Amino acid sequence: KAGVTQTPRYLIKTRGQQVTLSCSPISGHRSVSWYQQTPGQGLQFLFEYFSETQRNKGNFPGRFSGRQFSNSRSEMNVSTLELGDSALYLCASSLSVGSTYEQYFGPGTRLTVT
Amino acid sequence: QQQVKQSPQSLIVQKGGISIINCAYENTAFDYFPWYQQFPGKGPALLIAIRPDVSEKKEGRFTISFNKSAKQFSLHIMDSQPGDSATYFCAASAGTYKYIFGTGTRLKVLA
Repeated sequence: KAGVTQTPRYLIKTRGQQVTLSCSPISGHRSVSWYQQTPGQGLQFLFEYFSETQRNKGNFPGRFSGRQFSNSRSEMNVSTLELGDSALYLCASSLSVGSTYEQYFGPGTRLTVT
Repeated sequence: QQQVKQSPQSLIVQKGGISIINCAYENTAFDYFPWYQQFPGKGPALLIAIRPDVSEKKEGRFTISFNKSAKQFSLHIMDSQPGDSATYFCAASAGTYKYIFGTGTRLKVLA
């Protein structure tokens, strides 16, 4: 079974621009979460989507948004990019069945804001 | 109260030795505690996870020890190998997929 895939893997943007990152979960997984990883702040939860609805949200400004499609694929968008948004953005997928909370991460998208 | 404190920040172990990484939490609502391994340029990979109703869980060379009263849990890597050299993260969640991660431990296993 294929793992979580994220596109693009690398991205360079300029301050003020916007960016859209894509995530395809493991086949059959219905929950997709997004995390930001930086050397200074570590791994921080952005949001989680299940059945096209945002089910949980972290403490990030409204410039960070996401959505999930009917096939469970997810996108996250960052508007008005700031230098501090440079990070590895990780997507994680889960079966979301019963009381198991296992999440499987993709390789991430490395975003550099100049 | 949402923090998960992880130590040490870095660890050097001889091949064949035991690597021990510790995490502590405050939020008693946490009920799921996974450990992840991350290699440079890769996403975190799930190693092993535990729930608070179990004091220990072992999978191969990896063991989680859990102390509910002390609100601490630790990862033990037995017979550490150079291929185990990576960054390890503990995490906790409270009935959701919103993980709170520790700050990570960079492990180096010397050949």
